[in-house]
Amino acid sequence: DTAVSQTPKYLVTQMGNDKSIKCEQNLGHDTMYWYKQDSKKFLKIMFSYNNKELIINETVPNRFSPKSPDKAHLNLHINSLELGDSAVYFCASSQDRGRGVGYTFGSGTRLTVV
Amino acid sequence: DQQVKQNSPSLSVQEGRISILNCDYTNSMFDYFLWYKKYPAEGPTFLISISSIKDKNEDGRFTVFLNKSAKHLSLHIVPSQPGDSAVYFCAAGYNFNKFYFGSGTKLNVKP
Repeated sequence: DTAVSQTPKYLVTQMGNDKSIKCEQNLGHDTMYWYKQDSKKFLKIMFSYNNKELIINETVPNRFSPKSPDKAHLNLHINSLELGDSAVYFCASSQDRGRGVGYTFGSGTRLTVV
Repeated sequence: DQQVKQNSPSLSVQEGRISILNCDYTNSMFDYFLWYKKYPAEGPTFLISISSIKDKNEDGRFTVFLNKSAKHLSLHIVPSQPGDSAVYFCAAGYNFNKFYFGSGTKLNVKP
């Protein structure tokens, strides 16, 4: 049973399109995150939700909008996709903000904008 | 500006020997540090952590050392096994607000 699952695994789309990536965790964690792994391989936090409340909102374009319908789900919607959005996006979850056991990550969504 | 840096993109070690992965950070406010391991096509998995009140934490073959004055931490794997071959990320944060990750070091353990 996958703890943090994100779909789709691969996404190829054209510039200007709108797309969504879905994430679900079955660990009962109270906090969920979106990270972006850029071309230099750094994992950079984008958003974090704690019990459906946005607690971290890094400097990302407002074309990116997270939505958390409940504490087990955190979806990422991206409007007007640009070439620079191509990256691997990781969803993660944690309990107690990661004390002791860190985050549990999904397997990533590789987004390619052409 | 990257606050966590892993300056060695790759490391190759013989099976049975020690692997030492290094990580440097710039923010003296960081009070919690983690190491993650990542296999291809999978998400990072948590390996070991250390709080700034400690300078060493050990879990089986894995030991993390923290040198606060140098803003440096390292992960030691002894003995290294072929199954340890993966990309290792270090991460640092404060008040468990958010964590900053390095760019990873790819470890290859040769049989």
